[in-house]
Amino acid sequence: NAGVMQNPRHLVRRRGQEARLRCSPMKGHSHVYWYRQLPEEGLKFMVYLQKENIIDESGMPKERFSAEFPKEGPSILRIQQVVRGDSAAYFCASSPDGGPQRKLFFGSGTQLSVL
Amino acid sequence: EDQVTQSPEALRLQEGESSSLNCSYTVSGLRGLFWYRQDPGKGPEFLFTLYSAGEEKEKERLKATLTKKESFLHITAPKPEDSATYLCAVQARGGATNKLIFGTGTLLAVQP
Repeated sequence: NAGVMQNPRHLVRRRGQEARLRCSPMKGHSHVYWYRQLPEEGLKFMVYLQKENIIDESGMPKERFSAEFPKEGPSILRIQQVVRGDSAAYFCASSPDGGPQRKLFFGSGTQLSVL
Repeated sequence: EDQVTQSPEALRLQEGESSSLNCSYTVSGLRGLFWYRQDPGKGPEFLFTLYSAGEEKEKERLKATLTKKESFLHITAPKPEDSATYLCAVQARGGATNKLIFGTGTLLAVQP
């Protein structure tokens, strides 16, 4: 049973370009969470999605960032017009449902580097 | 504001030398406290969930405990393969289900 799959593992973009990060949750999981880990900082919550719905985007910057989890296919975290400060490790996690206290299963992350 | 503070930032142990990692938290109603392990270049791997003060959980050489203000991760007779960053996170009541607030972690190095 494959775990949470994220791709690409490493992504290099120049300032002003777009970055697209993909996340396929574990089989049978319909809830996806995105976290960002900046150097020397802890993991920060960005957004929580269910299939075709954004449940909580309180941690997502208001501009340039968007996320989706379509009925078919992976969840996508999209960053438009990237800046150097977007350089970080982006982790996706999934859970089978949205019940409280559910443990999250994390992917190996995408390391975004902005030149 | 909900907050998690972990100490020490880094810890170096000799193989077999037991120790404890600390996680202090401030949260408006605790729904759960989670411990994760993170290896370099990998995502966090779940270890334990604790729900109420006084609760304890064990797994191999690890034991997690919880009070109303903090949690400890006790490592008994550690081995080099226990070297990793240990992350503590809390889930608060009233927020989005399963949203976790993480500390910055304790980097543990166990030398043979």
